[in-house]
Amino acid sequence: AQSVSQHNHHVILSEAASLELGCNYSYGGTVNLFWYVQYPGQHLQLLLKYFSGDPLVKGIKGFEAEFIKSKFSFNLRKPSVQWSDTAEYFCAVNAVIQGAQKLVFGQGTRLTINP
Amino acid sequence: ETGVTQSPTHLIKTRGQQVTLRCSSQSGHNTVSWYQQALGQGPQFIFQYYREEENGRGNFPPRFSGLQFPNYSSELNVNALELDDSALYLCASSLLAGTETQYFGPGTRLLVL
Repeated sequence: AQSVSQHNHHVILSEAASLELGCNYSYGGTVNLFWYVQYPGQHLQLLLKYFSGDPLVKGIKGFEAEFIKSKFSFNLRKPSVQWSDTAEYFCAVNAVIQGAQKLVFGQGTRLTINP
Repeated sequence: ETGVTQSPTHLIKTRGQQVTLRCSSQSGHNTVSWYQQALGQGPQFIFQYYREEENGRGNFPPRFSGLQFPNYSSELNVNALELDDSALYLCASSLLAGTETQYFGPGTRLLVL
């Protein structure tokens, strides 16, 4: 069965620190990978996505992620975090089952940035 | 930016009741997917509708059902509510029923007492 694992449940950093959030997936087919962010009181928003091509993907707000096929990983990075990055981050893989584009999400990583 | 709207924003029901949640997809999107997000968890896929037909279903019992209308808006119906149905219900729309990016609405928070 398809699954996504996010290694860190809660990460606490100071402003200007570098960030890396881990994501590993289990899916045998062609993968499309996503990172979504959920700011407090707001809806899920797309940070970035990988469909094909360059495995290093750049998203909004200075985030990037690298797809490493051999490791089944899609880790999220940001060189210098800001207080406004405080949010819940979800990694997801797109599994197409019986024609349905089903997003399988990890359980999320809560990121707290201290000013 | 998403354009996906959901109603109501919050809802309180008692065990055994029925509930209907509504979703309007982003303009031009013909596919709607529904997800359940329990507290502290990632969203879980319930089902997807494409051109008014169910187009895939997750591990949810038949008391979770849905509809999609000609304007591509959608409803999620849950019968015989259980306490564990308390969650945030998310609707997401996409352009096609394939490998397309899904855009999420703000969700409906359901509390079952």
